[in-house]
Amino acid sequence: EAGVVQSPRYKIIEKKQPVAFWCNPISGHNTLYWYRQNLGQGPELLIRYENEEAVDDSQLPKDRFSAERLKGVDSTLKIQPAELGDSAVYLCASGLAGAFNEQFFGPGTRLTVL
Amino acid sequence: DQQVKQNSPSLSVQEGRISILNCDYTNSMFDYFLWYKKYPAEGPTFLISISSIKDKNEDGRFTVFLNKSAKHLSLHIVPSQPGDSAVYFCAASAVRGAQKLVFGQGTRLTINP
Repeated sequence: EAGVVQSPRYKIIEKKQPVAFWCNPISGHNTLYWYRQNLGQGPELLIRYENEEAVDDSQLPKDRFSAERLKGVDSTLKIQPAELGDSAVYLCASGLAGAFNEQFFGPGTRLTVL
Repeated sequence: DQQVKQNSPSLSVQEGRISILNCDYTNSMFDYFLWYKKYPAEGPTFLISISSIKDKNEDGRFTVFLNKSAKHLSLHIVPSQPGDSAVYFCAASAVRGAQKLVFGQGTRLTINP
């Protein structure tokens, strides 16, 4: 069974530039999560989807971050414009609603903002 | 406010011995706890979990203990193997919080031959 796929794996951009990350969850998983992991810290939830609906985006900095999950499958996370403090690993995870919190993570996208 | 804390950034254990990783939490609403393991350049992978109705859950070499009164949990790995070298994250959730996981900072475990 294929795992969670993320691309790109690495991205280096200059500040004020836009950037987008893509995630393809495990087939059949209706719940999708985007996390940000800063160096030396654990992942922090940015947004959670159930199917197409964003059911928790309270931690998403909405002035510069946006996300979408069209058709309830793939998802894209965008930052525009990027700031130096956005340098981090962005992790996507998927799971089944009601599956008691077991989330399956992708390898992440390491973003460096110069 | 760090609701889940792993106070040891790193731990070094000899192969074959017991590894004990600790985690403390502050939110009394948390009632489900998980441990994830992370290798470099990979995403975290689920290892073991425990519900607050239990105080112990065992899966092969891995055992998680929960002390609700102390708001403390620990992961025991016996015997430790070189492949166990990784970063371990403790995570907590309030079931009524609908699958929102709060992670600790992680502990880097190194198993020495």
